[in-house]
Amino acid sequence: AQSVTQPDIHITVSEGASLELRCNYSYGATPYLFWYVQSPGQGLQLLLKYFSGDTLVQGIKGFEAEFKRSQSSFNLRKPSVHWSDAAEYFCAVGVGSGNTGKLIFGQGTTLQVKP
Amino acid sequence: NAGVTQTPKFRILKIGQSMTLQCAQDMNHNYMYWYRQDPGMGLKLIYYSVGAGITDKGEVPNGYNVSRSTTEDFPLRLELAAPSQTSVYFCASSTITGGLGYTFGSGTRLTVV
Repeated sequence: AQSVTQPDIHITVSEGASLELRCNYSYGATPYLFWYVQSPGQGLQLLLKYFSGDTLVQGIKGFEAEFKRSQSSFNLRKPSVHWSDAAEYFCAVGVGSGNTGKLIFGQGTTLQVKP
Repeated sequence: NAGVTQTPKFRILKIGQSMTLQCAQDMNHNYMYWYRQDPGMGLKLIYYSVGAGITDKGEVPNGYNVSRSTTEDFPLRLELAAPSQTSVYFCASSTITGGLGYTFGSGTRLTVV
């Protein structure tokens, strides 16, 4: 069955430090992969997506993610974290036949940024 | 450009009451979805629609119903509210390929007491 695992429920980093959020997926075919961010009380905003091609994808707000097929991973990175990056981050994989567009989400990682 | 609009933003229901969560999008997206979000559980798909008149169950459909009479609207109906339905509900839409990523509404926080 398709699934997405985000091993870290909560991460705390200092402002200016680098960040890596982990995501592992289970899916038989070539996946569509996404990272979303959710600020408190808000809906989810798309950070970046991978469909095919270059395995390093750039997103908004200075985020990037690398697709590693051999490790079934799609980790999110940022070289220098800002206080405004504190939020909850969700990894998702697109599944389903016939272009139903369904997404399966991971459990989420809450990022806290220390001043 | 409103995107995806959900109403209401907050609601308290008593056990056994019914209500409809409204969702409307103005992007002419064919695909629409309802998810519920519970702490530590991520988002679970309730129902989805690939076009007007076509709906299908997701992962957690029990206790809910949907309809899609127009491209723009995708309401979610709770017939007999139960405490287990206390959650935050998100509506989303996407283009026909689905793979371009969703546009989410801002959510409805529902409490059943």
